[in-house]
Amino acid sequence: DVKVTQSSRYLVKRTGEKVFLECVQDMDHENMFWYRQDPGLGLRLIYFSYDVKMKEKGDIPEGYSVSREKKERFSLILESASTNQTSMYLCASRLGQKNQPQHFGDGTRLSIL
Amino acid sequence: KNQVEQSPQSLIILEGKNCTLQCNYTVSPFSNLRWYKQDTGRGPVSLTIMTFSENTKSNGRYTATLDADTKQSSLHITASQLSDSASYICVVTLKAAGNKLTFGGGTRVLVKP
Repeated sequence: DVKVTQSSRYLVKRTGEKVFLECVQDMDHENMFWYRQDPGLGLRLIYFSYDVKMKEKGDIPEGYSVSREKKERFSLILESASTNQTSMYLCASRLGQKNQPQHFGDGTRLSIL
Repeated sequence: KNQVEQSPQSLIILEGKNCTLQCNYTVSPFSNLRWYKQDTGRGPVSLTIMTFSENTKSNGRYTATLDADTKQSSLHITASQLSDSASYICVVTLKAAGNKLTFGGGTRVLVKP
């Protein structure tokens, strides 16, 4: 089974802090994704990566950046956390073919105070 | 406006009963439509996938249908069990735009004994 592991289940940070969310997958998937999930809004794509050192903006990239130095690891960075970034963050990975499912981690619930 | 609308937002059913969840989409053309199940505190897990030419797909007690003419999909749960309590998310993959995923807001199902 594919395993997507997010480093923290719950995280509390302060406004203005730089925040790192880490995601690791163990199935050699080419594609990796970061989403945020808010009530009533569904999942919204922040950034994605098709390969190592490659990154593409999703629908809501403002205030975020990403890093993919190794194939198995995809990091989401909040450069200067703000209260409107309080949310559930989900990481996913997928084989390169378009009809393959995305495999999700269990999420990080991030609170910015 | 979300291009994938799900209804109802939530429902409560008794154990052993059937229920049907609806998904209406406006995105076109699409590559495939997938239903995910998301347990509380967990990431979404793929249940079914249907391409444009398919109109039904089953996975155990879950049966998804697709009407590409009316742009509607449904997920039918037969003989519900307590473990079916979860959110169910309809996801459409666009044929263009780099196979972008568009997520519905989900339907939260609670199965009561």
